[in-house]
Amino acid sequence: AQSVAQPEDQVNVAEGNPLTVKCTYSVSGNPYLFWYVQYPNRGLQFLLKYITGDNLVKGSYGFEAEFNKSQTSFHLKKPSALVSDSALYFCAVRDFTGGGNKLTFGTGTQLKVEL
Amino acid sequence: GAGVSQTPSNKVTEKGKYVELRCDPISGHTALYWYRQSLGQGPEFLIYFQGTGAADDSGLPNDRFFAVRPEGSVSTLKIQRTERGDSAVYLCASSLAAGGPAEQFFGPGTRLTVL
Repeated sequence: AQSVAQPEDQVNVAEGNPLTVKCTYSVSGNPYLFWYVQYPNRGLQFLLKYITGDNLVKGSYGFEAEFNKSQTSFHLKKPSALVSDSALYFCAVRDFTGGGNKLTFGTGTQLKVEL
Repeated sequence: GAGVSQTPSNKVTEKGKYVELRCDPISGHTALYWYRQSLGQGPEFLIYFQGTGAADDSGLPNDRFFAVRPEGSVSTLKIQRTERGDSAVYLCASSLAAGGPAEQFFGPGTRLTVL
């Protein structure tokens, strides 16, 4: 089965500093990888996805992610963090087992950006 | 345009009661998904519809859970004989197409509390 792991429950960063939220994956075949963000009492919002092609994927709100096949990682990055980026971030992989198209999510990483 | 909507936003019920949760997907989206998110966890897949039919229901925890999408648009998740362990946020998502890399767009969720 496809899976993703987010090794950090929480990441703290100062505003203006670069941020990284880590994700590693385990899949058979080529992975379809996604990042979503969840603000309190709201649904998940799509940030970006990797399907194929360029290993550096650019997404919404200045976020980007780097796909690294040798390290089976798909870390989320932003060059300069904002306080408003504070939220819960989920990495996900498309799971085609059983003929479906479900997403398998990681456990989430709480990002806290401080002044 | 309008996103995925879910009603009610909150539902409190007593153990043993029957509940229905409704999802209205983005217009034109043929694929619809239900997920369940427990506190401190990532969303977990329940069921996926392509059109009117359930293409993958492998995530439904037991036969107390059932979902329908009779006209290929609105979907209802039905839970019989609710148990305290069913308490969670139930998320609905839709996508333009079922296969391939199409991202899923999530609704705000229904928070179910079983007393």
